[in-house]
Amino acid sequence: AQTVTQSQPEMSVQEAETVTLSCTYDTSESDYYLFWYKQPPSRQMILVIRQEAYKQQNATENRFSVNFQKAAKSFSLKISDSQLGDAAMYFCAYRRRGATNKLIFGTGTLLAVQP
Amino acid sequence: GAGVSQSPSNKVTEKGKDVELRCDPISGHTALYWYRQSLGQGLEFLIYFQGNSAPDKSGLPSDRFSAERTGGSVSTLTIQRTQQEDSAVYLCASSLSLTSGEKLFFGSGTQLSVL
Repeated sequence: AQTVTQSQPEMSVQEAETVTLSCTYDTSESDYYLFWYKQPPSRQMILVIRQEAYKQQNATENRFSVNFQKAAKSFSLKISDSQLGDAAMYFCAYRRRGATNKLIFGTGTLLAVQP
Repeated sequence: GAGVSQSPSNKVTEKGKDVELRCDPISGHTALYWYRQSLGQGLEFLIYFQGNSAPDKSGLPSDRFSAERTGGSVSTLTIQRTQQEDSAVYLCASSLSLTSGEKLFFGSGTQLSVL
């Protein structure tokens, strides 16, 4: 069975600084998707970034980028120039390609941004 | 609608009572998912629908949990004889189809508290 592990329950970053959130996963599949979702206090999950496992290039979305290490099964999220609005719970998630949209989530990292 | 709508936003109930949670997906989305988020945990998959049928009910925690979807639109998650361990946020998501590349859109969830 696939599992997703986020070993940092809480992280803190100064405004305008850079922070990296860690995620590792376990799967025997070779083709899959990885995601980072943001959950603010409103509870609504918002997709931050998506990585397709067959693509070697790391995905980027403005200030958000990932470091995808397929062999190590590692998928970290880097937030550059952190803003107060980035404060939220961040979840890493996995989905096997070809399956339904069933996502497997990690337990999340609570990010605080200090002014 | 413009987004996934869930009601009620918060529900407090007494142990042993039945509750119904409602999800109204984005218009035209054929796939609908229910997840449960317990305190300090990631999101746990409960069930998904393709149209009105639910091919995968494997995530439902017990036979007290059931879900239905009518008209390919609104879905109801019913919990009978609620227990304190049922307290959690119940999140609904929808997507255009079950294709693995489709983006999931989440609602803001129902916070269920069982006293």
